[in-house]
Amino acid sequence: DIVLTQSPATLSSSPGERATLSCRASRTISTYLAWYQQRPGQAPRLLIYDASTRAAGVPARFSGSGSGTDFTLTISSLEPEDSAVYYCQQRSNWRFGGGTRVEI
Amino acid sequence: QVQLVESGGGVVQPGRSLRLSCTASGFTLNTYGVHWVRQAPGKGLEWVALISLDGSDKRIADSVRGRFTISRDNSNNTVYLQMDSLRPEDTAVYYCARELVVPPRHYNYYMDVWGKGTTITVSS
Repeated sequence: DIVLTQSPATLSSSPGERATLSCRASRTISTYLAWYQQRPGQAPRLLIYDASTRAAGVPARFSGSGSGTDFTLTISSLEPEDSAVYYCQQRSNWRFGGGTRVEI
Repeated sequence: QVQLVESGGGVVQPGRSLRLSCTASGFTLNTYGVHWVRQAPGKGLEWVALISLDGSDKRIADSVRGRFTISRDNSNNTVYLQMDSLRPEDTAVYYCARELVVPPRHYNYYMDVWGKGTTITVSS
């Protein structure tokens, strides 16, 4: 089974700063990767699919990149409302990574 | 407004059964595949099950295979998760989520609309 490993576990930053989150797959998954945001007490929200396509209504400060085994979610300029846990997810067995908590 | 609503959660003893329901408003659920995803307290997301839009294809996570069953009633715009032989480790918030559709493609591996979740507590 393909395993997704996210790093760092926690990222602490300030408003306006750039955040870079990593997701590594144990085997190649082409570009079949999504990113979700989960704010405290809320359901997850789809941000990015197919590694780099923004979902409808997602602000342009969120971008995704990567292919094969290494993927990145970048938040270009952090806003206070970006405080959340971010999960990556791949298609072969629908599994999620362990998540990265972003604290602002 | 496009939304999903889960129901059927509660407190149940180990070994007992429970059935969750997922209903839609603002769109027709029978044109989408539907997932169940759960989240144990303080933990990450765990995919549980998927059913195709017509119910012909069903997938279940290894961790619940043989105990959980996914089904749907398209005449009632509802998807179900039947959970039998419940264990304490099944305690979680259970979310239903619809597959992403960007016409004409159905991405049954991504989830774009999620319900708020229903909580299952398995305890004696």
